[in-house]
Amino acid sequence: DVKVTQSSRYLVKRTGEKVFLECVQDMDHENMFWYRQDPGLGLRLIYFSYDVKMKEKGDIPEGYSVSREKKERFSLILESASTNQTSMYLCASVSPGDQPQHFGDGTRLSIL
Amino acid sequence: TQLLEQSPQFLSIQEGENLTVYCNSSSVFSSLQWYRQEPGEGPVLLVTVVTGGEVKKLKRLTFQFGDARKDSSLHITAAQPGDTGLYLCAGAKDNRLAFGKGNQVVVIP
Repeated sequence: DVKVTQSSRYLVKRTGEKVFLECVQDMDHENMFWYRQDPGLGLRLIYFSYDVKMKEKGDIPEGYSVSREKKERFSLILESASTNQTSMYLCASVSPGDQPQHFGDGTRLSIL
Repeated sequence: TQLLEQSPQFLSIQEGENLTVYCNSSSVFSSLQWYRQEPGEGPVLLVTVVTGGEVKKLKRLTFQFGDARKDSSLHITAAQPGDTGLYLCAGAKDNRLAFGKGNQVVVIP
């Protein structure tokens, strides 16, 4: 079974802090994704990566950056956290092609 | 602009009843995936439909892909409380998924 692990289930940070969300997958998947999920807005793609050191902007990249130094790890960075970044963050991985994505259990991030 | 529209957004039914939820789009997708998400967890894949007109069954769940590969429906027969969850449809295109906002289904015992 594919395992996608997100480092924290719950996280509370303060406005202006730099926040790191980590995601690790154990199935050697090339593609990894970061989404945020908000009530009434569904899942929105922030960034994705097709390979190590490669990244592509999704639909809502503003205020975020990512890092993919190793194939199994994809990090989401909030450069200077703001209250409107309070959300559920979901990481997913998949092999190339239209395969189903495998999701982690999410990180519920609160910015105070 | 939301690529995939899911309706109804919220549905509450009694145990044993049937229900159908819909996922519609103006775009054509190479495949369409249905996920279920329970509180505090990530979405989990239920089924992928690829061919226009395709029907897939997963126990009491029946998934249909429209002939033009733009829309899909999910029918649940004799709903159980364990069917409660957020049902998400996602269209695959260019190695990405576009998600709908979901159908929140609550089955009351």
